[in-house]
Amino acid sequence: GAGVSQTPSNKVTEKGKYVELRCDPISGHTALYWYRQSLGQGPEFLIYFQGTGAADDSGLPNDRFFAVRPEGSVSTLKIQRTERGDSAVYLCASSPVRTQYFGPGTRLTVL
Amino acid sequence: AQTVTQSQPEMSVQEAETVTLSCTYDTSESDYYLFWYKQPPSRQMILVIRQEAYKQQNATENRFSVNFQKAAKSFSLKISDSQLGDAAMYFCAYNYGGSQGNLIFGKGTKLSVKP
Repeated sequence: GAGVSQTPSNKVTEKGKYVELRCDPISGHTALYWYRQSLGQGPEFLIYFQGTGAADDSGLPNDRFFAVRPEGSVSTLKIQRTERGDSAVYLCASSPVRTQYFGPGTRLTVL
Repeated sequence: AQTVTQSQPEMSVQEAETVTLSCTYDTSESDYYLFWYKQPPSRQMILVIRQEAYKQQNATENRFSVNFQKAAKSFSLKISDSQLGDAAMYFCAYNYGGSQGNLIFGKGTKLSVKP
C-alpha cells in the first residue's frame, strides 16, 4: 500500500514568510509525528498526534510553530514568521501501534 | 532524560564483508523499544530492525542483526554480506514503552561500502 507522503518535497521561502507543510499518513494509522532534522543531526521530535488531538507538543521550539490534524488523517505543520534557523528537513511519521513509518520529508530553506 | 549515543560518525566496509555499528543509550525505564533506521540520500527513513527490551533474544532481519545488551545499555547493529545499497546514514532510536510517544535518535553513523 501507499506509504507516508509529504508535500512539498522542497520549499524555499524568505525570512518572515508563513509556510505550511503537509503530511499524508498511511491509511488507518492513528498516531502521527513531526520531527525536524538539521544538517548532520538525527531527527528531533516536534509534536505527536493521537487521532485529532495533539498528545504531546513539547518539542515545538516556540509559538511560531503550530500543527493540526483536524480529521485524524492529514496533518499540516505551520510555521509563522520564518527565520533562517528554521531551515531543515521536516519529517513526518505515522504508526499503527509502536513502529513509526516515515515519509520522504520536506526540505525547508529560509533565505 | 533518555539519551542515545552513536560514537562512530563514519564507518567503512568492503562489499560482502561484515560491519558493526555501535549504539548506547541511557534510560531509567525497564520497558522500552529500540530501533535502527537507515536514511539514504533520498532522505526517507527506512526501518531496519526493532528490539523489544523485554525480549532476551536478539532481533534478526535477513542480513541485519542486533546485539542487545540490556545491562550495558548497548544496542549494536551487525550488517553481514554488505552490499553497495547498504551505504547510508544509520540512526539508532529509543522509544519509551509506557506510551506511544516520540523516538529519541542518535546523531547517526555514515556507512560507506567499497566495491
